[in-house]
Amino acid sequence: QVQLQESGPGLVKPSETLSLTCTVSGYSISSGYYWGWIRQSPGKGLEWIGSIYHSGSAYYTPSLRSRVTISLDTSKNHLSLKLTSVTAADTALYYCARPRKAGSVANTFDTWGQGTMVTVSS
Amino acid sequence: QSALTQPASVSGSPGQSITISCTGTSSDIGGYNYVSWYQHHPGKAPKLMIYDVNYRPSGVSDRFSGSKSGNTASLTISGLQAEDEADYFCSSYSGTSTLEVFGGGTKLTVL
Repeated sequence: QVQLQESGPGLVKPSETLSLTCTVSGYSISSGYYWGWIRQSPGKGLEWIGSIYHSGSAYYTPSLRSRVTISLDTSKNHLSLKLTSVTAADTALYYCARPRKAGSVANTFDTWGQGTMVTVSS
Repeated sequence: QSALTQPASVSGSPGQSITISCTGTSSDIGGYNYVSWYQHHPGKAPKLMIYDVNYRPSGVSDRFSGSKSGNTASLTISGLQAEDEADYFCSSYSGTSTLEVFGGGTKLTVL
């Protein structure tokens, strides 16, 4: 059974870089599938941030593309999210997730982590 | 502001049926049969309940069903049970560079 667990600082200062890790168990990320990050801001809906393929190619949502980087560490079987120049608008519950279909970039996520809350505040 | 519009809340009594709507545009819901529905209990991982408009993953009760008409998708839960009380949100593939869009979520209360 594939399981995902997000981790990282719960508090980030404005203008700094948000860094999160998603540890994957029960499946080798180098074996296939895209792996994604999704966030939910307080009182708002979910937003797909981006996804990365096991080969390393990545797709990002246009509104965050200039600030976000998603990467894989196959030796540790985890993926990472970096979001630069954060503001209060980046305060959110951040999830990592995997799509149901092996070739899908961002559609129908059937495996999710529990999420990690990140607050941007000085 | 979410890309897909859902009612903030719905409620129903045990045994009843409820329907949650999810309205998008011709660039997402109306243009593709890739609508998904998720159940979310706060503090837990979201659970996929419906995919590709009306397909249930293995293990999901057949009390959950999905449909679509034009730019609006719907999730129907029949025979409401207390355990169904949760947040439900929809998503759809988008033919734009955003790729996947989500609804704002609907809180289901079982009275």
